[in-house]
Amino acid sequence: QKEVEQDPGPLSVPEGAIVSLNCTYSNSAFQYFMWYRQYSRKGPELLMYTYSSGNKEDGRFTAQVDKSSKYISLFIRDSQPSDSATYLCAMRGSGTYKYIFGTGTRLKVLA
Amino acid sequence: DADVTQTPRNRITKTGKRIMLECSQTKGHDRMYWYRQDPGLGLQLIYYSFDVKDINKGEISDGYSVSRQAQAKFSLSLESAIPNQTALYFCATSDSPGNNEQFFGPGTRLTVL
Repeated sequence: QKEVEQDPGPLSVPEGAIVSLNCTYSNSAFQYFMWYRQYSRKGPELLMYTYSSGNKEDGRFTAQVDKSSKYISLFIRDSQPSDSATYLCAMRGSGTYKYIFGTGTRLKVLA
Repeated sequence: DADVTQTPRNRITKTGKRIMLECSQTKGHDRMYWYRQDPGLGLQLIYYSFDVKDINKGEISDGYSVSRQAQAKFSLSLESAIPNQTALYFCATSDSPGNNEQFFGPGTRLTVL
């Protein structure tokens, strides 16, 4: 079993839709949770970072962490064609700088 | 100019050849990382370095070696390339331990025939 599971998609939605992207994990020691966005032929770039449980909002993006269920989510409101990309979750525990990445979910927002 | 650069961007080589991928950064970060990305497997850590004198193996270091020539430069070598090393390779940097953001280069697409 992988430490981090992420549905690869592709996920296709119409412009303006609310998108929900998710990861599950098995290691209860994970404390830091990140979402990266990766455009085609580019390196990943950090979108959101959350420590421990709870929600964090930044513009159209909301990150949620539910440590009891070992489940994290990224919500994108009013999705735009420019949001079309692969979204990677990443996480690590305290005291280690080794990040575990999900496989990424490919999102297509249709105009 | 890009903060993290990688050369070459694309490379095709043959089995058994030695190849070096180079990474340079202008962000002034101490920490540098090499990852490979394969479809269905995500990003896997090959090596990481917290300063010039500190080199550590990641999850999949077999068949790879690295050199940290300076704070700004971190090279990845494949001593004898094999086809299953065909992948997209990314270099990344980060600064202080408390900062979780990694800054990635544009990637090198390597094909081993």
